[in-house]
Amino acid sequence: EVQLVQSGAEVREPGESLKISCKVSGYDFTKNWIGWVRQRPGKGLEWMGIIFPGDSDTRYSPSFEGQVSISVDKSISTVYLQWNSLKASDTALYYCARQGITIFGLINQHYYYYMDVWGKGTTVTVSS
Amino acid sequence: DIQMTQSPPFLSASVGDRVTISCRASQSIGNYVNWYQHKPGKVPDLLIYAASSSRTGVPSRFAGSGSGTDFTLTINSLQPEDFATYYCQQSYKAPYTLGQGTWLEVK
Repeated sequence: EVQLVQSGAEVREPGESLKISCKVSGYDFTKNWIGWVRQRPGKGLEWMGIIFPGDSDTRYSPSFEGQVSISVDKSISTVYLQWNSLKASDTALYYCARQGITIFGLINQHYYYYMDVWGKGTTVTVSS
Repeated sequence: DIQMTQSPPFLSASVGDRVTISCRASQSIGNYVNWYQHKPGKVPDLLIYAASSSRTGVPSRFAGSGSGTDFTLTINSLQPEDFATYYCQQSYKAPYTLGQGTWLEVK
């Protein structure tokens, strides 16, 4: 069974650093992108970025580039989301999600990506 | 980046109704659209990928359509468990942006 197990809730003060994790099991970890999605209180889902564990290729949404860092430790099948200096506006629920793939076509292949397996979320509260 | 504009942001409907949620992309994206359902306190759930392909196990009352810039999620004969927030997402090019969401509530 594919599982994404996220680290527990965190409470930090503004300016502090934080690294949350998403441990993956049940499939070849290096073969699928893993992404992060933010949900602020009372707001919608926001796509933050993705990482390909096989080679650590990373893509960010412009809204999050430079604000967070996504990394991976292949040895323990874990993806991380990190802040160097938290703000109150980072208070949110953060989900990790596997990017599933379906390939259509034999000669001209089309790759369709979607978030098919999700972690239960990590609540981050930033408050003084 | 590709923007995904969903409408309406709120939708009020009754059990048994047929509802339609729209999503417009800021540029042509073929059929690279996914739809998710998100209930309070739960993890988001993939419903549709490639604009019209249903994930295994998704009830047949959920149907996706569209290509290019305009996409639609239709829910036929609403059931009590369908009241949730729905999101579209483009997977044409990273960043794979999500729409703002449509909150479907019980009338």
